[in-house]
Amino acid sequence: DTAVSQTPKYLVTQMGNDKSIKCEQNLGHDTMYWYKQDSKKFLKIMFSYNNKELIINETVPNRFSPKSPDKAHLNLHINSLELGDSAVYFCASSQVPGGKNIQYFGAGTRLSVL
Amino acid sequence: RKEVEQDPGPFNVPEGATVAFNCTYSNSASQSFFWYRQDCRKEPKLLMSVYSSGNEDGRFTAQLNRASQYISLLIRDSKLSDSATYLCVVNGPFTDKLIFGTGTRLQVFP
Repeated sequence: DTAVSQTPKYLVTQMGNDKSIKCEQNLGHDTMYWYKQDSKKFLKIMFSYNNKELIINETVPNRFSPKSPDKAHLNLHINSLELGDSAVYFCASSQVPGGKNIQYFGAGTRLSVL
Repeated sequence: RKEVEQDPGPFNVPEGATVAFNCTYSNSASQSFFWYRQDCRKEPKLLMSVYSSGNEDGRFTAQLNRASQYISLLIRDSKLSDSATYLCVVNGPFTDKLIFGTGTRLQVFP
């Protein structure tokens, strides 16, 4: 049973389109995250949610909108996709606050914007 | 200055070698420290947490020097399966934000 699962695994789309990536965790964690890993392999946090509440919102264009319908799900919607959005997007979860911030990652979604 | 700095490598070592990676971090108030491992085209996975007293997990030893803001990872008796990118990770103070280094690539050859 996959602990953190995200779909789709691959996403190829044209500039200007809108797309969503879904993430679900079955670890019972309270906090979920979205990260972006660019072509230089640098992994940077975008957002975190604790029990459906936005906690971390890094300097990310407002074309990116996270949505957390419940604490086990954190989806990422991207409007008006640009070439620079091409990257691997990872979802993660951890049991914080109240535990060590060990984060478990999904397998990633490879987004290619053409 | 980057918040977490690592030598990107690659480190090319033969099987059985001992290899050490270093990492420095800029915020002296950082609270928790980790090494993650990322295989090619895969997600990062926790390798081990790092404690001030130093800790060991089989062939892996991690050390933290808070005074110098320096973290290290030592791998003994390298295996082919150790080939991966090793990410130094720091938990910022008063936040659940993890800050990742750019990673050090290790290639173990037969």
